[in-house]
Amino acid sequence: QKEVEQDPGPLSVPEGAIVSLNCTYSNSAFQYFMWYRQYSRKGPELLMYTYSSGNKEDGRFTAQVDKSSKYISLFIRDSQPSDSATYLCAGQETSGSRLTFGEGTQLTVNP
Amino acid sequence: NAGVTQTPKFQVLKTGQSMTLQCAQDMNHNSMYWYRQDPGMGLRLIYYSASEGTTDKGEVPNGYNVSRLNKREFSLRLESAAPSQTSVYFCASSETGILPQHFGDGTRLSIL
Repeated sequence: QKEVEQDPGPLSVPEGAIVSLNCTYSNSAFQYFMWYRQYSRKGPELLMYTYSSGNKEDGRFTAQVDKSSKYISLFIRDSQPSDSATYLCAGQETSGSRLTFGEGTQLTVNP
Repeated sequence: NAGVTQTPKFQVLKTGQSMTLQCAQDMNHNSMYWYRQDPGMGLRLIYYSASEGTTDKGEVPNGYNVSRLNKREFSLRLESAAPSQTSVYFCASSETGILPQHFGDGTRLSIL
């Protein structure tokens, strides 16, 4: 079993939709969670970095962690075609320790 | 400001050949990383360097060596390439070492 599971998609939504991207994890020691965005043929870029359970908002993006169910979510409001990318979630046991990545979910936002 | 620069962008090797992947960052970051990305596997850490002169193995170090030449540069060497090392390789850097922040655009490596 992979430590971090993501549905690879592809997920296709119309412009303006609210997008929900999800991950599950099995390692109870994870305390830190991240989301990276990766455009085609590019390297990942860090979007969100959260600690423990709860929500964190940054503009149109909201990261949510539910440690009781081992569930990580990224919500994108008012989605734009420029949000079309692959989104990678990751977990980390302690600050500075190795990240464990999911395989990513491919998102397409159609104009 | 180039960020993290990787060379080459593409490479095709034959089994048994050697090569070095180059990475340089211009952000004065202490920490640097090498990852590989394979379909269905996600990003996996090969080696990590917390600072100039130090390196540590990651999740999949077998078949690779690294050199932290100076604060800017972190190279990855395949001594005897194998088809299982066909992958996209990413270098990353971090100011704090807490997590990789800035990635290069990758080197696409095929080994026949």
